[in-house]
Amino acid sequence: AQTVTQSQPEMSVQEAETVTLSCTYDTSESDYYLFWYKQPPSRQMILVIRQEAYKQQNATENRFSVNFQKAAKSFSLKISDSQLGDAAMYFCAGELGATNKLIFGTGTLLAVQP
Amino acid sequence: DTGVSQNPRHKITKRGQNVTFRCDPISEHNRLYWYRQTLGQGPEFLTYFQNEAQLEKSRLLSDRFSAERPKGSFSTLEIQRTEQGDSAMYLCASSLAGVGVWEQFFGPGTRLTVL
Repeated sequence: AQTVTQSQPEMSVQEAETVTLSCTYDTSESDYYLFWYKQPPSRQMILVIRQEAYKQQNATENRFSVNFQKAAKSFSLKISDSQLGDAAMYFCAGELGATNKLIFGTGTLLAVQP
Repeated sequence: DTGVSQNPRHKITKRGQNVTFRCDPISEHNRLYWYRQTLGQGPEFLTYFQNEAQLEKSRLLSDRFSAERPKGSFSTLEIQRTEQGDSAMYLCASSLAGVGVWEQFFGPGTRLTVL
């Protein structure tokens, strides 16, 4: 079965500090894509960062980076220099092998403390 | 605004009534997806279209649900004989199918409350 699991329902970080959100997934496919989406309160979901499974290099987008461990099927998101605007629900998602649909985790609610 | 739009944003209905939601994708996107998100959960896939063809339906999509995408542009999702369990946020997303990395762009959602 193809699954995406987020084991941290809530996380908190101090402004300007670094936080890591965890995600694991399961698939038997070798070609797939992984994503982190951000859903601010009452606002639409936006893509934060994506990773192609065939790429060994971890993706980076400004303050956001991932730690992609293919053998361990782990895909964590690191947010550096956290800002108040980073407070949101974060969803890990995967297109886990030519399915043309996203499978989402249950989300991690991130609070940023001033 | 060239993003994905959804209407209405909120819908309150009584059990047993029919409701219809509309999604307008990003204009050049040929794929359109519907997801359902309940409180405290991640979105769950319902169905998707490539152009006007509905290519896959989740088993979550009971026979009370029907989706269309006439002419491969906007899409509608209709729920007949609504039940309280249908209360959720219904999300639409679109993407451009092709070689390489693709991503889905989401709309703001339609929040359905069934009384």
